[in-house]
Amino acid sequence: QKEVEQNSGPLSVPEGAIASLNCTYSDRGSQSFFWYRQYSGKSPELIMSIYSNGDKEDGRFTAQLNKASQYVSLLIRDSQPSDSATYLCAVNPYTGGFKTIFGAGTRLFVKA
Amino acid sequence: NAGVTQTPKFQVLKTGQSMTLQCAQDMNHNSMYWYRQDPGMGLRLIYYSASEGTTDKGEVPNGYNVSRLNKREFSLRLESAAPSQTSVYFCASRGLAGSQETQYFGPGTRLLVL
Repeated sequence: QKEVEQNSGPLSVPEGAIASLNCTYSDRGSQSFFWYRQYSGKSPELIMSIYSNGDKEDGRFTAQLNKASQYVSLLIRDSQPSDSATYLCAVNPYTGGFKTIFGAGTRLFVKA
Repeated sequence: NAGVTQTPKFQVLKTGQSMTLQCAQDMNHNSMYWYRQDPGMGLRLIYYSASEGTTDKGEVPNGYNVSRLNKREFSLRLESAAPSQTSVYFCASRGLAGSQETQYFGPGTRLLVL
């Protein structure tokens, strides 16, 4: 079993819709969770980090964490064509730990 | 402030050749990382350096060596390249963006081993 799993997609949504990206992780003791966005041919960049159960909102982005279910998600409201990218879920097993485990990523396509 | 820089951007090697990928950061970060990214595999950690003077293996260290030359620079060496090492290599450093811990990635090196 992979440590961090994501549906590879592609996930296709119309412009203005809500895109929902999901991620599960295997290490129950994991403490820190991240969503990175990667445009084609570019390097990843951080969108959100979340450390506690519940929701965390930043503009059009909401990260949701459920440690009991070992599940983290990213919602993108009012999706724009510029949101079309690969979204990488990443997990640190320990707060302040040095190793980050990345999922394989979900490709999102927002249709204009 | 250039962030994380990597050289070269592209490289073609023949099987058995060696090369060193260079990485430097100007953000005064302690931790630095080398990843490889292959289609469908996401980012896989090769080696990391928690601080100057220390290095540790990641998920896929075989066939690679690293050197943390100083706080700014972290190099990755392929001693005898193999076709399985064809990949995109990213260097990253770790620090805070506001209150959020983040990894800052370089632009990547695209390596083809024939």
